[in-house]
Amino acid sequence: DVQVTQSPSSLSAFVGDRVTITCRASQGITNRLAWYQQKPGKIPKLLIYAASSLQSGVPSRFGGSGSGTDFTLTISSLQPEDVATYYCQKYDSAPRTFGQGTKVEIK
Amino acid sequence: QVQLVQSGAEVKKPGSSVKVSCKSSGGTFSYFGFSWVRQAPGQGLEWMGGLLPVFGIPNYAQKFLGRVTITADASTSTVYMELISLTSEDTAVYYCARDQTDTYDYDSSGHPITTVPFDVWGQGTVVTVS
Repeated sequence: DVQVTQSPSSLSAFVGDRVTITCRASQGITNRLAWYQQKPGKIPKLLIYAASSLQSGVPSRFGGSGSGTDFTLTISSLQPEDVATYYCQKYDSAPRTFGQGTKVEIK
Repeated sequence: QVQLVQSGAEVKKPGSSVKVSCKSSGGTFSYFGFSWVRQAPGQGLEWMGGLLPVFGIPNYAQKFLGRVTITADASTSTVYMELISLTSEDTAVYYCARDQTDTYDYDSSGHPITTVPFDVWGQGTVVTVS
């Protein structure tokens, strides 16, 4: 199975900072990668699909890039409401594996 | 607006089984893929398996082969996940999730699979094994 490795596992940044989270697949998955946000005690929410397409209703400060094996989620200006754990997920084939998650906090 | 409503919390004994339901409303059912994802306390998301109701052929994560069964009832727009031989390590929140679009493909074995992310999630069902 293709492994999905996400980093870092956690980060702390100031409001207004640019934040970057990476996801690496052990084999190429074209652009079939999604990013989800899960706030504490809440269900996951789709942010980005097809590596770089913004899901409807998601603020434009969220952006995704990458193709093949290396992908990035960027928050251009971190806001207090962005405190959450972020997961990448490959969906090119089964199993539709998630990354380990990145917990984002405010300094 | 599509909604997924799951059955209520369960407390089970080790060695027993649990069956969780997920009722879809507000949209078409049979041509959208549904998956089950679980999250142990303080841990990440883990895909267990899924199926496309119109074909009724499930895909399971290797870890759960032989222990999980995912089925669908189109007459009630409900998807089910049954997990047997429960241990304390199965204590988790179990989510059903629906594919973003009604797009599917075929794997190398000719089985229908879906290759889209999840845009609708159920509220989660807490399963405690103790």
